[in-house]
Amino acid sequence: AQKVTQAQTEISVVEKEDVTLDCVYETRDTTYYLFWYKQPPSGELVFLIRRNSFDEQNEISGRYSWNFQKSTSSFNFTITASQVVDSAVYFCALSEADSGGYQKVTFGTGTKLQVIP
Amino acid sequence: DTGVSQDPRHKITKRGQNVTFRCDPISEHNRLYWYRQTLGQGPEFLTYFQNEAQLEKSRLLSDRFSAERPKGSFSTLEIQRTEQGDSAMYLCASSRGQEVAKNIQYFGAGTRLSVL
Repeated sequence: AQKVTQAQTEISVVEKEDVTLDCVYETRDTTYYLFWYKQPPSGELVFLIRRNSFDEQNEISGRYSWNFQKSTSSFNFTITASQVVDSAVYFCALSEADSGGYQKVTFGTGTKLQVIP
Repeated sequence: DTGVSQDPRHKITKRGQNVTFRCDPISEHNRLYWYRQTLGQGPEFLTYFQNEAQLEKSRLLSDRFSAERPKGSFSTLEIQRTEQGDSAMYLCASSRGQEVAKNIQYFGAGTRLSVL
């Protein structure tokens, strides 16, 4: 069984501060995929990133960066110089690949980020 | 491409009534997924289609729930004899291809159901 834990329920930061959202996962598979999605108040889940279990390189995209560490089963997400528009609920998710390519996605409970101007 | 479209955005119904939601996936996406999200939780998988074939159903999908994708394009999710516990956001997602590299799920804005 797969499980995703986001221990931080809510985080508040002042604009321009850096913030890291934690994600710890459990899976028995050797091949799996990790995701981050953003859910603004409008409700739509916005895809941010996907990493596969064989690629532990950290990734940076603008103000966003992701730190994948297999040894600790973590896939943390850092926002640098946070902005009010970053206020949203962020979900970490995990999927396992099967032979048919289908991937059932398991989501964490989310971390609500509030950026205060 | 336009995004995943869901209709209606909000639905209020009385307990015992039937409701139906519609999802239009991104064009040419052959996979379509339904999720349910309750307050303070992440989305939970309900069911999944590859074209018109429904390939997997979660144990969360009781016999009061039925989903269809008759022509492999849009999908409907029907809940019969609604209960207050059905109140949730129902999310639809779609993805393209069997190739793992293309199988990223893109979500709609959801239908929020309130059962009174």
